[in-house]
Amino acid sequence: ETAVFQTPNYHVTQVGNEVSFNCKQTLGHDTMYWYKQDSKKLLKIMFSYNNKQLIVNETVPRRFSPQSSDKAHLNLRIKSVEPEDSAVYLCASRDWGINQDTQYFGPGTRLLVL
Amino acid sequence: AQKVTQTQTSISVMEKTTVTMDCVYETQDSSYFLFWYKQTASGEIVFLIRQDSYKKENATVGHYSLNFQKPKSSIGLIITATQIEDSAVYFCAMREGLSGSWQLIFGSGTQLTVMP
Repeated sequence: ETAVFQTPNYHVTQVGNEVSFNCKQTLGHDTMYWYKQDSKKLLKIMFSYNNKQLIVNETVPRRFSPQSSDKAHLNLRIKSVEPEDSAVYLCASRDWGINQDTQYFGPGTRLLVL
Repeated sequence: AQKVTQTQTSISVMEKTTVTMDCVYETQDSSYFLFWYKQTASGEIVFLIRQDSYKKENATVGHYSLNFQKPKSSIGLIITATQIEDSAVYFCAMREGLSGSWQLIFGSGTQLTVMP
């Protein structure tokens, strides 16, 4: 049962453009994440965010920024894309309670930068 | 810094057999949390099982179980009676950060192919 939704599924753009990806979770979780998965399937954390605190992986370039309107939404904006940004971007949210801190992932947004 | 290492890039097994996937980790924490996730061909990432370091019993969920060897910093995933649909990439992960703001660090993944 999908409970973390991401749009779009796939996006093609050119170098220098701005893109924005959406993520919504319907699980009532209070913490959300963005991960990047490269062509070798390596998964790396980019941001974690709850309504109190944003934590940024120090290796994330400044052109990336998370945007949240409420605890159910965490969007990702890339101000001026570069070729190395081509990847799959995965949103996740965290369950605090009886499922013991499990993270649930969305289906991902695949970005191709030409 | 914490680190998770999966040295097996790919494994092929026959259906209905048992497979073990290896994972070793590095951490300075006295208490830590380890996870296994599965990524299907469609790209969906699904939580499978977790092990809390303070628990001596190996976790088991369905046909997934863990071989937790704390002195070796090792957390192997065992899948018994494998099925075709178990074919996927399996990621080992560790929780990193403070309780209120932790995230996962992942190993590089192991591609499992289950053959009929």
